[in-house]
Amino acid sequence: TQLLEQSPQFLSIQEGENLTVYCNSSSVFSSLQWYRQEPGEGPVLLVTVVTGGEVKKLKRLTFQFGDARKDSSLHITAAQPGDTGLYLCAGETNFGNEKLTFGTGTRLTIIP
Amino acid sequence: DVKVTQSSRYLVKRTGEKVFLECVQDMDHENMFWYRQDPGLGLRLIYFSYDVKMKEKGDIPEGYSVSREKKERFSLILESASTNQTSMYLCASTDPHEQYFGPGTRLTVT
Repeated sequence: TQLLEQSPQFLSIQEGENLTVYCNSSSVFSSLQWYRQEPGEGPVLLVTVVTGGEVKKLKRLTFQFGDARKDSSLHITAAQPGDTGLYLCAGETNFGNEKLTFGTGTRLTIIP
Repeated sequence: DVKVTQSSRYLVKRTGEKVFLECVQDMDHENMFWYRQDPGLGLRLIYFSYDVKMKEKGDIPEGYSVSREKKERFSLILESASTNQTSMYLCASTDPHEQYFGPGTRLTVT
């Protein structure tokens, strides 16, 4: 079973600060997804990255897939209280088979 | 919008009881998944199904079984609930490359 380790596990910062969350594995993934989960809800997809070295931006969020497709990062610029939540990365081993391995999660709290 | 619904948001059961968790999706997806979510462990795959009456074990199937008699419905069964099955259970259905999750069922086994 592939493992995806996320760091940090918990992060609490002031509104307006920048932060980076990491997702690391020793396995190669054909694609990697990032989800955000709010209390009492299921995870919701933010982005999918497919190509090694790929960078995608979603407003203040920047996602990068490592060149070797083993790791990924999520960078948030000027964090806002609405960014608070549990962030999960998830890797797909065989492109298209839809079976994902989820990371351990990063619980982010933005303090107003 | 895709909608995935789960039969209960909160459930409390006693040790040894048989527990049914129901999941229904309305987008005609072929693939459906059951996960459990525990702090610090992320989501772990219990079972998944690629089609009606088809099922495959995930990473932690022990103590669980599933049923998929209709395309839109995927049930998770705990044959004899134990305290270590206290957890958040999440169901998902997928189109290519995106999993749509239900709101989850928080199960407590006492």
